[in-house]
Amino acid sequence: EADIYQTPRYLVIGTGKKITLECSQTMGHDKMYWYQQDPGMELHLIHYSYGVNSTEKGDLSSESTVSRIRTEHFPLTLESARPSHTSQYLCASSVGGPSADTQYFGPGTRLTVL
Amino acid sequence: KNQVEQSPQSLIILEGKNCTLQCNYTVSPFSNLRWYKQDTGRGPVSLTIMTFSENTKSNGRYTATLDADTKQSSLHITASQLSDSASYICVVSDRGSTLGRLYFGRGTQLTVWP
Repeated sequence: EADIYQTPRYLVIGTGKKITLECSQTMGHDKMYWYQQDPGMELHLIHYSYGVNSTEKGDLSSESTVSRIRTEHFPLTLESARPSHTSQYLCASSVGGPSADTQYFGPGTRLTVL
Repeated sequence: KNQVEQSPQSLIILEGKNCTLQCNYTVSPFSNLRWYKQDTGRGPVSLTIMTFSENTKSNGRYTATLDADTKQSSLHITASQLSDSASYICVVSDRGSTLGRLYFGRGTQLTVWP
């Protein structure tokens, strides 16, 4: 069982609200990632970080932002949530890069924006 | 275009039976291929990882095969159990960049009935 945690697990909010999805890992991994996954669809990388103070946008355009102030913590923020943001958000971490090392995933946050 | 295609999209089998899931990819260059198991409402968990030179890898009742020439992989599940009900995701990594990138399939949704 991977030591990577996400909160909240489920979130239902109204349009226009600001939200932060939390992700933390206790494995000391340098690399962390945020994925978006819709039902029956593949995971899409929206943000990644290769270390403290390092963040990059992923393959899928996202209106969210991330920060990496501490190694173990990689929160994702939506300044103004919209119904189009409704999805499952998965956080992951790895020791090395995605090609070299297995990624360990958190349980996910299911976000619904009304 | 780099892609990962999985078949079937969904599969229902009876407990105790065997099944085989397929993954075809066009990712090039190729670094490795992973199979993940994703339980409903949870994050994916790695089952196997295979590099170019590996043909077969087992993890308990799960056996993955790789044919790098035809760019095909399969995941064979032996003596299925109810707990095998999940989505099985094929993930291929390239080595096109220093840290590589991952290409995800949409998964095969397996349901095991008693």
